[in-house]
Parts: sequence; structure tokens; C-alpha cells
Amino acid sequence: AQSVSQHNHHVILSEAASLELGCNYSYGGTVNLFWYVQYPGQHLQLLLKYFSGDPLVKGIKGFEAEFIKSKFSFNLRKPSVQWSDTAEYFCAVNEGGSYIPTFGRGTSLIVHP
Amino acid sequence: EAGVTQSPTHLIKTRGQQVTLRCSPISGHTSVYWYQQALGLGLQFLLWYDEGEERNRGNFPPRFSGRQFPNYSSELNVNALELEDSALYLCASSFTAGGHYEQYFGPGTRLTVT
Repeated sequence: AQSVSQHNHHVILSEAASLELGCNYSYGGTVNLFWYVQYPGQHLQLLLKYFSGDPLVKGIKGFEAEFIKSKFSFNLRKPSVQWSDTAEYFCAVNEGGSYIPTFGRGTSLIVHP
Repeated sequence: EAGVTQSPTHLIKTRGQQVTLRCSPISGHTSVYWYQQALGLGLQFLLWYDEGEERNRGNFPPRFSGRQFPNYSSELNVNALELEDSALYLCASSFTAGGHYEQYFGPGTRLTVT
């Protein structure tokens, strides 16, 4: 069965620091990849997604992610975090043709002002 | 455009009782998904409904069930509640035609079983 690993469970950064959150998956075929974010007290919402094409995907609020097929990875990055980026981040992967994503366990990010 | 709505917001039940959670998808979305988000476990897929039919279910016992109505809203029923059913239950909706896999989530229903 498909599995999705988010290696960092808790990350604490100061404002302006760079961020990289890891996401690895186990499925070897075609995948659709997502990062979702859940800000405190808010709904889970889509940050960015990859279906095909350029493996470097840009999302909202300055986030980007790179799909590296050979490494089964889809890491999330932001060059300079802000206090408002404090949230829970979830990586999700659909096997090709599946409508059911598998979610990682999430990474809690705290950004200190 | 109204987002996915869920009711109730919070619920406290006793072990052995039954509960019904409700979800209204975004207008035009035909698919509804239910997830359980227990502390530290991420989102665990429960059920997927599309066009009124159950299309897939996750690795949960049969006491977790649901249905989808003609207006695409959905209910999740949990019978014989157990303490470990305490969690945030999330509903999401999406289009299914044309490969639109992105899901839009509701605020969730927080269920506490005592």
C-alpha cells in the first residue's frame, strides 16, 4: 500500500529563516502530489499541487515544492518564513488515476517573530 | 462561493452511543470524502461518495457508514462508539470529472467519546 512519510514532525524557526519540509512516498508509478496547510483555527487548504510538467511548482504565499521522481520526494520550501506561516503542513499523494489521496502525518511549524 | 460546511462543530457522546455527522459540499462538486484526524496520526481516509454511491472505503470497521443524498450532501454515521473514535472528522469535496483531484475541506466536527 502507498505510504507517505513526513520526516519532520515539529519544526521551530525564527522569522526570515529558510524552510524545507520533507515528503517521501512509496508508490513507483504516476503520482499526483499535494501540499495542504492548516492554519490555527482554519480549514485545511491547498498550498500547491503537481500533476505533470515542470517539477518545480510554485504555490501561494511564496511556497514552492520540487518533485524529484528518482528520490520519490516532493519537498516543500520557502526562502524566508514569516510568523504567519505558523501552521500544520500535510503532504498528500494520489497514485495515478486514484481519487483517494494518502496523507502524511503532518509537520507542525512554529515561527517565532 | 460558499465552502464545504459541516455540522455540528463539536459533539460529546458516551461509549456505545451512535452519532451522525453532516457535510454539504461546494456547489457543483459531486464527490464527498470523509477523513478521521486523530491526534498525531494525520488524516485517515474513511469513505468516498460520488453521485450518490459509495465508491471506496478505508480500513475502518463496518460501524462507520454513511450515505450521499441527491443534492450531494452527505452523512457519516458511527455506531457503537468507542473511546478511540474521539477525533476530528473532516469532510472534503471535489469534482471527479476531468481529473480534478484537488479536495476542498470543511472545518471538521470534533467528536469526543467519554
